[in-house]
Amino acid sequence: KAGVTQTPRYLIKTRGQQVTLSCSPISGHRSVSWYQQTPGQGLQFLFEYFSETQRNKGNFPGRFSGRQFSNSRSEMNVSTLELGDSALYLCASSVARGSGANVLTFGAGSRLTVL
Amino acid sequence: AQSVTQLDSHVSVSEGTPVLLRCNYSSSYSPSLFWYVQHPNKGLQLLLKYTSAATLVKGINGFEAEFKKSETSFHLTKPSAHMSDAAEYFCVVSVTAGGTSYGKLTFGQGTILTVHP
Repeated sequence: KAGVTQTPRYLIKTRGQQVTLSCSPISGHRSVSWYQQTPGQGLQFLFEYFSETQRNKGNFPGRFSGRQFSNSRSEMNVSTLELGDSALYLCASSVARGSGANVLTFGAGSRLTVL
Repeated sequence: AQSVTQLDSHVSVSEGTPVLLRCNYSSSYSPSLFWYVQHPNKGLQLLLKYTSAATLVKGINGFEAEFKKSETSFHLTKPSAHMSDAAEYFCVVSVTAGGTSYGKLTFGQGTILTVHP
């Protein structure tokens, strides 16, 4: 069974630009979550989507947004990039119900560098 | 609200010796607790999870952790370290009581494990 797939794996942008990252969850997983990982702040929760609806949101500015499609694939967007947005962005999926609801499977991440 | 404190930012052991990575948690509800491992330039892999069943949890690659409610701890151990265990380890708490927090995990700051030959 294929894992969580994130694209692109690496990208470089300049300040002020915007970026869109994509995540394809494990087949049958309906919940998709996004996390930001930086050396200074560690791993921080961005948001979670379930059935195309944002169900939870972390403490990030409005420049960070996301969406989920009917096939559970998700995208996140960061507008007006700042140097501090340089990070590894991790996507995770879960079955979203039952005893395995909070067991997340992570993708390899998209590493964003903002110059 | 919940939080996680990993008591050591770096742990160094020799191959073949025991590993102990310490984690304390705080949670208003009955928590689910996890340990994840991250190898360089890779995503996070689930090692083990505690979800209110047995307090001693066995995971992959010989790791195990014990949930101690009285001490609010969830330390990760392995009897004998292997070179391939060198990685960063994260203790994680999740709360699902009373709401839909399934995808919202709270991570500790991580412990980097170094294994010497």
